[in-house]
Amino acid sequence: SYVLTQPPSVSVAPGQTARITCGGNNIGSKSVHWYQQKPGQAPVLVVYDDSDRPSGIPERFSGSNSGNTATLTISRVEAGDEADYYCQVWDSSSDHPDVVFGGGTKLTVL
Amino acid sequence: QVQLVQSGAEVKKPGSSVKVSCKASGGTFSSYAISWVRQAPGQGLEWMGGIIPIFGTANYAQKFQGRVTITADESTSTAYMELSSLRSEDTAVYYCARMAYCSGGSCYSGPIDYWGQGTLVTVSS
Repeated sequence: SYVLTQPPSVSVAPGQTARITCGGNNIGSKSVHWYQQKPGQAPVLVVYDDSDRPSGIPERFSGSNSGNTATLTISRVEAGDEADYYCQVWDSSSDHPDVVFGGGTKLTVL
Repeated sequence: QVQLVQSGAEVKKPGSSVKVSCKASGGTFSSYAISWVRQAPGQGLEWMGGIIPIFGTANYAQKFQGRVTITADESTSTAYMELSSLRSEDTAVYYCARMAYCSGGSCYSGPIDYWGQGTLVTVSS
């Protein structure tokens, strides 16, 4: 089955840029979606189809995807961005297609 | 505005089954895939499977095949997830979630745009 690998944690100071990676075999050929989850809440979509933003999501959130790595970039990080972030793809490469999530990355704002 | 409202928390014995419901409102229920995603305490998100109500066909993650049944009732815009042979490792928050669109021949290739509030299922003797 397809595996998505995220760093367990990323730390950044307020106002700086956070980059959260999501590694997978030839992930650049797939559409990657990113979710933000705060404690006790359901996830919220922040980037879809590699780099598109849903309405209401600040422009500070952006995404890219190439080769074996997709990246969620959060510019001018704010305290309110502290959360867990998950990448997700649809893997149709095997004979048993699956929705696959990365293990999640905890973003800490110092 | 689409809303997914799930049934309440459950406490179950090992070996039993649980059935969680997810009632949709504010949108077109039948033509979007509804997925079920679970999250064990302190852990990440895990896709269990989904259903496209208009077709009535369910797809299951290989890990849960044979133990999970996902159904949908178009007349009440409600989806259901039943998990059997429960064990302590099944203790988790279970979410229903709407897949935003169909693309490339699949209704699971897009992102999840709406989530239910989550249902805590506790498996304990």
